[in-house]
Amino acid sequence: GENVEQHPSTLSVQEGDSAVIKCTYSDSASNYFPWYKQELGKRPQLIIDIRSNVGEKKDQRIAVTLNKTAKHFSLHITETQPEDSAVYFCAASWSVGGGSNYKLTFGKGTLLTVNP
Amino acid sequence: EAGVAQSPRYKIIEKRQSVAFWCNPISGHATLYWYQQILGQGPKLLIQFQNNGVVDDSQLPKDRFSAERLKGVDSTLKIQPAKLEDSAVYLCASSFSGRRTGELFFGEGSRLTVL
Repeated sequence: GENVEQHPSTLSVQEGDSAVIKCTYSDSASNYFPWYKQELGKRPQLIIDIRSNVGEKKDQRIAVTLNKTAKHFSLHITETQPEDSAVYFCAASWSVGGGSNYKLTFGKGTLLTVNP
Repeated sequence: EAGVAQSPRYKIIEKRQSVAFWCNPISGHATLYWYQQILGQGPKLLIQFQNNGVVDDSQLPKDRFSAERLKGVDSTLKIQPAKLEDSAVYLCASSFSGRRTGELFFGEGSRLTVL
């Protein structure tokens, strides 16, 4: 099965700085890599995702990069704000039973704290 | 659009007791997932349904956990008997189709405390 490693486990930045979270995956057949944000006591919510046919995707202050050769992908948040403080999870999809159904395996999460 | 509904939100039981969680996915979503999230960790998939069929339950502790989705809509996850290590948030999620991976929509979760 898929194994997803996420680093760092905690990250503290000053407001306005950039934050970078990195993930590696083990299954070279994985083709979908979403990032979820989970605020304290709330449900995880998708903030950005990337498929294996592109190397980078950007949405305002958030960007994700993918290196298929090295099997790693990263989340970049620029101009961080206190409301960006949350736990961020990366995930990778892999095929179930070699068929056309996929499931997501999540990393262990990164607690991001943006200090005002 | 109504989101994924889960109940109960909180449950406290003693070890060896049983508990059941209910989930109603977003209308039209064929794929339903149950995840277990232990404090400080990422969600771990317990079981995935495609309509009313099980796609994957390889990480479901089948000696104590069971889940069903009889009519391909709502689902129930049961734990019997519960152990201390089952204390976690049980997240239900749904997606339009598991055949092309897409966004998962999560419910608020059911927080279980086993004493």
